Amino acid sequence: GESVGLHLPTLSVQEGDNSIINCAYSNSASDYFIWYKQESGKGPQFIIDIRSNMDKRQGQRVTVLLNKTVKHLSLQIAATQPGDSAVYFCAENAGGTSYGKLTFGQGTILTVHP
Amino acid sequence: DGGITQSPKYLFRKEGQNVTLSCEQNLNHDAMYWYRQDPGQGLRLIYYSQIVNDFQKGDIAEGYSVSREKKESFPLTVTSAQKNPTAFYLCASSIGQVGRQPQHFGDGTRLSIL
Repeated sequence: GESVGLHLPTLSVQEGDNSIINCAYSNSASDYFIWYKQESGKGPQFIIDIRSNMDKRQGQRVTVLLNKTVKHLSLQIAATQPGDSAVYFCAENAGGTSYGKLTFGQGTILTVHP
Repeated sequence: DGGITQSPKYLFRKEGQNVTLSCEQNLNHDAMYWYRQDPGQGLRLIYYSQIVNDFQKGDIAEGYSVSREKKESFPLTVTSAQKNPTAFYLCASSIGQVGRQPQHFGDGTRLSIL
């Protein structure tokens, strides 16, 4: 079925380290993916997106990698800061009969220690 | 500033009562969405609307109703038929081409049962 899941529910890193958050998806028809950051009591904040015709996309301190062969998505955060501590969600759009719907993963809790 | 405003931030419902959650956006976005988030889980789509006077059921529409009479407004009513309404409700909007543009979120309404 269409689902998005995360390998690791929690990730703890030291300030200044690079962080990698992983996401697996099951629908090979998915053609659009988004990463969101959610802080406690707030709505998700858009970080970066990628379409299936790309393998990599970079933003400010963040990089998203898409491996369509193994249906895997990752978010890399460079020089992680305490302010990066939050829950990170990946989401996919599967198109077809699911056109118009984003399917969200459960989220990974990132904790950055000073 | 442009953005999405959800109100109220906290809402309490009595047994047998319908309650309405407000969502207003001044981003001139065509598409709007309602999600439900339960503790430790991802977002699940309740309803979405691609254009004024049109809306579609999401994955968990039972016990909820919406209207889209104006482009900037997409209120959600949680009816008494929704037996487990306690959750964090998030409204989002996107420019268009539903599902293939980043969705931007409000800061949510937390609904609890009295």
